[in-house]
Amino acid sequence: SQQGEEDPQALSIQEGENATMNCSYKTSINNLQWYRQNSGRGLVHLILIRSNEREKHSGRLRVTLDTSKKSSSLLITASRAADTASYFCATDGGNTGKLIFGQGTTLQVKP
Amino acid sequence: DAGITQSPRHKVTETGTPVTLRCHQTENHRYMYWYRQDPGHGLRLIHYSYGVKDTDKGEVSDGYSVSRSKTEDFLLTLESATSSQTSVYFCAISRTSGGAKDNEQFFGPGTRLTVL
Repeated sequence: SQQGEEDPQALSIQEGENATMNCSYKTSINNLQWYRQNSGRGLVHLILIRSNEREKHSGRLRVTLDTSKKSSSLLITASRAADTASYFCATDGGNTGKLIFGQGTTLQVKP
Repeated sequence: DAGITQSPRHKVTETGTPVTLRCHQTENHRYMYWYRQDPGHGLRLIHYSYGVKDTDKGEVSDGYSVSRSKTEDFLLTLESATSSQTSVYFCAISRTSGGAKDNEQFFGPGTRLTVL
């Protein structure tokens, strides 16, 4: 079962604009993670936010977490064509070492 | 890529044949995972391993078996391949032990399997 659900499923923006993707989940979590996947490649870990954190930054990425609403958002600022990829959220709801991935948001950044 | 390789990278096989995919890591990490990725389903966990000879099922384990006789290798076997197992298969490792709060995963390049 998919715990994380991303919204929107697809997003198309112009270079230089900001891109926001949202993720909702169902059960309590230890952390929430965001991954990027370029076409034909494996997933790459972007950022992890713990359940006791509300916001985290990494370069042009900003992640927020609202555990009361069971939701997270990923903001990519000043987007570039190279940001074109699919973005997935993943949640870790226990101590099993397993992650549950959402279905992803496909981002297209037009030059 | 955290020293993760997958072989083969592409494979075409026929229904009913057994297929084994290999994941190899060079960093001696305890946790390894096999996922499949299909349009509309995202990534789904097939099996995972938390040590040599220690494995457990994921959410889509039917029709698959795994083995881990060495820390560095995690094998995924399709016992009798079916067309529904046509997919892209990803292996992943976690650098932290189970129960850790920071358990990000690192993925291999994937194996594209087509079952005719």
